[in-house]
Amino acid sequence: AQKVTQAQTEISVVEKEDVTLDCVYETRDTTYYLFWYKQPPSGELVFLIRRNSFDEQNEISGRYSWNFQKSTSSFNFTITASQVVDSAVYFCALSDLYSSASKIIFGSGTRLSIRP
Amino acid sequence: NAGVTQTPKFQVLKTGQSMTLQCAQDMNHEYMSWYRQDPGMGLRLIHYSVGAGITDQGEVPNGYNVSRSTTEDFPLRLLSAAPSQTSVYFCASSYSGDLAKNIQYFGAGTRLSVL
Repeated sequence: AQKVTQAQTEISVVEKEDVTLDCVYETRDTTYYLFWYKQPPSGELVFLIRRNSFDEQNEISGRYSWNFQKSTSSFNFTITASQVVDSAVYFCALSDLYSSASKIIFGSGTRLSIRP
Repeated sequence: NAGVTQTPKFQVLKTGQSMTLQCAQDMNHEYMSWYRQDPGMGLRLIHYSVGAGITDQGEVPNGYNVSRSTTEDFPLRLLSAAPSQTSVYFCASSYSGDLAKNIQYFGAGTRLSVL
């Protein structure tokens, strides 16, 4: 069975601090995709990143970075120099390689609050 | 392109009433899915479709019906609403061909309350 665990229910930091959101997953598949989605207060879901299990390289996009470690089944997300606009609920998710278009298993989300 | 459009945005039902949540996409995506979002539980898959005329159950299908008569539309039907179906519902669509492109895009959601 597939499972995604986001142990941090809520995080609150002061603006400009760095913050890391943890994600641990379980799957029996040898090939799979991992995702991060952002849900701002307006409610829509915004796709941030997809990483396949073949590629363990870390990725950086502006202030966002992702650390994928297969050995610990983790796909953590770091925001550097956080801003108030980063306040949102962030979801980590998992799918097998051929179902990523239709079936994604989501974690329960981490609510991130950035205080000015 | 409008992307994935869900209607209505908000709905209040009484227990036992029926209704259809609409979902339409204009991206010619073959794959479409319905999720529900409950507090503290993330999103859970209700039903999905890999093309017109083909649907399958997800993690929490009970109490919901779907059909896919066209590529563009994927309505979700509640035949007899129950308070346990109070939730936010999201529709998503995705291109199916190239695995590198098949990322799910979500609609803005429908907030449903069943009294």
